[in-house]
Amino acid sequence: AQSVTQLDSQVPVFEEAPVELRCNYSSSVSVYLFWYVQYPNQGLQLLLKYLSGSTLVKGINGFEAEFNKSQTSFHLRKPSVHISDTAEYFCAVTEIQGAQKLVFGQGTRLTINP
Amino acid sequence: KAGVTQTPRYLIKTRGQQVTLSCSPISGHRSVSWYQQTPGQGLQFLFEYFSETQRNKGNFPGRFSGRQFSNSRSEMNVSTLELGDSALYLCASSFQGGPSYEQYFGPGTRLTVT
Repeated sequence: AQSVTQLDSQVPVFEEAPVELRCNYSSSVSVYLFWYVQYPNQGLQLLLKYLSGSTLVKGINGFEAEFNKSQTSFHLRKPSVHISDTAEYFCAVTEIQGAQKLVFGQGTRLTINP
Repeated sequence: KAGVTQTPRYLIKTRGQQVTLSCSPISGHRSVSWYQQTPGQGLQFLFEYFSETQRNKGNFPGRFSGRQFSNSRSEMNVSTLELGDSALYLCASSFQGGPSYEQYFGPGTRLTVT
């Protein structure tokens, strides 16, 4: 079984500041990793995913994440945030050899202050 | 291309009643998954359908069921509603249904049980 821990439930930052949202996972098998964003009253939108290859993954809206296998982490970063980045962010994993079933973390609410 | 649509968007039901939610996947997508989102439990996988067959099921009681039609549209049904079933129910579709394939989420159906 897999589990995902998002280390911060809320992250407030000022506009144009950098941000890092932390995600750690636990799994006895190899996994794919994802970051999703959820804006108010909307579904989830994929920001980026790690399947294989380079451990630094670039996604939409200027976000990137780094996969660290030894630390079982997949932290999300953005060098300069905008008011429009205010949303809830979810880290998720799924077994490489398993079913199409995402296991999500509890989410991190990112609030951007002007 | 139209995104994933879910109907209805909002629903209020009484304890003991049953409810049916509908999901229309992106055209050409054959896999449909359902997730429940609550403040306490977060995002949890309910089940996945591929080519009208349930391939995977999460840890939910038998009151939760679903089906998929030949046009890939899916419905989920919850019988004998309980207060704890109040949640946002998200549907996601993907082209093939496999761990590496991106899942596209709909806006969700918000179910309130009174």
